[in-house]
Amino acid sequence: QQPVQSPQAVILREGEDAVINCSSSKALYSVHWYRQKHGEAPVFLMILLKGGEQKGHEKISASFNEKKQQSSLYLTASQLSYSGTYFCGTEKNTGGFKTIFGAGTRLFVKA
Amino acid sequence: IAGITQAPTSQILAAGRRMTLRCTQDMRHNAMYWYRQDLGLGLRLIHYSNTAGTTGKGEVPDGYSVSRANTDDFPLTLASAVPSQTSVYFCASSDSRGTGELFFGEGSRLTVL
Repeated sequence: QQPVQSPQAVILREGEDAVINCSSSKALYSVHWYRQKHGEAPVFLMILLKGGEQKGHEKISASFNEKKQQSSLYLTASQLSYSGTYFCGTEKNTGGFKTIFGAGTRLFVKA
Repeated sequence: IAGITQAPTSQILAAGRRMTLRCTQDMRHNAMYWYRQDLGLGLRLIHYSNTAGTTGKGEVPDGYSVSRANTDDFPLTLASAVPSQTSVYFCASSDSRGTGELFFGEGSRLTVL
């Protein structure tokens, strides 16, 4: 089953913070996060393995709670370039051969 | 430039016709994937291949077939296209010995009339 992302869409002003959530009904091995600009291919942001670690990428970070089968993506002091659609992808098997994506969260940052 | 190449970039196809979308990677990744992207549904996995010579079904495999004769190529075939297969198709690859990051091609936009 597809992981469930929330919210479906969010509008921010430049400098504001946002949180995007991803939850699964299945036990997870890892969670991926990608960002896609309109008309382009998805681009990798980060991957989190089970163990509850938190990772960061510039002002974007994420956490993974394997017990709750949830991950959250944190965007701090958002920039115009953060606009796009964010996808979480989840894997159940070690080795990561079947990444299943959520429906996406559309983020729009305005000046 | 290393990466994934998809062809064609865009195609309009009559229903009932056969179509093959091509995907080639030069990163020597062992795993390859085909996803379709439709508005509001995100990226849905069609088929995947863990290594050359093996393939597996994803979330939405019906109406599609794949082959993996070698490491670099992973073509997706629509035997008899239907309008519901109108979509943007992305090929991706990953190295299972690495981080698991997916590298995507630029996509193939297919319209079935």
